[in-house]
Amino acid sequence: GAGVSQSPSNKVTEKGKDVELRCDPISGHTALYWYRQSLGQGLEFLIYFQGNSAPDKSGLPSDRFSAERTGGSVSTLTIQRTQQEDSAVYLCASSFGRSSGELFFGEGSRLTVL
Amino acid sequence: DQQVKQNSPSLSVQEGRISILNCDYTNSMFDYFLWYKKYPAEGPTFLISISSIKDKNEDGRFTVFLNKSAKHLSLHIVPSQPGDSAVYFCAASARGTGANNLFFGTGTRLTVIP
Repeated sequence: GAGVSQSPSNKVTEKGKDVELRCDPISGHTALYWYRQSLGQGLEFLIYFQGNSAPDKSGLPSDRFSAERTGGSVSTLTIQRTQQEDSAVYLCASSFGRSSGELFFGEGSRLTVL
Repeated sequence: DQQVKQNSPSLSVQEGRISILNCDYTNSMFDYFLWYKKYPAEGPTFLISISSIKDKNEDGRFTVFLNKSAKHLSLHIVPSQPGDSAVYFCAASARGTGANNLFFGTGTRLTVIP
């Protein structure tokens, strides 16, 4: 597609359940990022992929969070045993090459944990 | 620890006047700065950037100024238009270190009054 695509756009889940969020980056973009924005907060970096490898996972808040990327394209962010504090908008972005600076964002996946 | 700070959560400006959005940073390794604009229910979109080798970059109605000694940058929009009403995020990266992560501020909500 022309832009970064994320699904689902909205997800409501019960505390303790696992969720998967999907990101389909712009074709040809080798770098992929996950950020999240909690209510009233800025964008918080979670993880960065270059190709299929994740050289920077420093932003993942706990071991309940994991992400993978396959085929240098689609990425999945998985949150296990969700907690209420995980409620946020999860944003995926992609860019062409390394250190390009300008990221292209998807519309985000809004996660609500009840 | 917020490395990029936007201390004004909101700003209201009359249509046709100048909007000035401010951003401060703490990390002296940051060498590339960007402004993103975000409408409700959409992902952030890139607006304008500046490298640390410059102190000004202009693109149409948008100008970004960088004061490295003060670790401060600002975005000027002139003349402001109602369509500029959005949340503006300042972001910074340390490209010279090979890092790919962007650090974002918490955003400033601009309202342009017709």
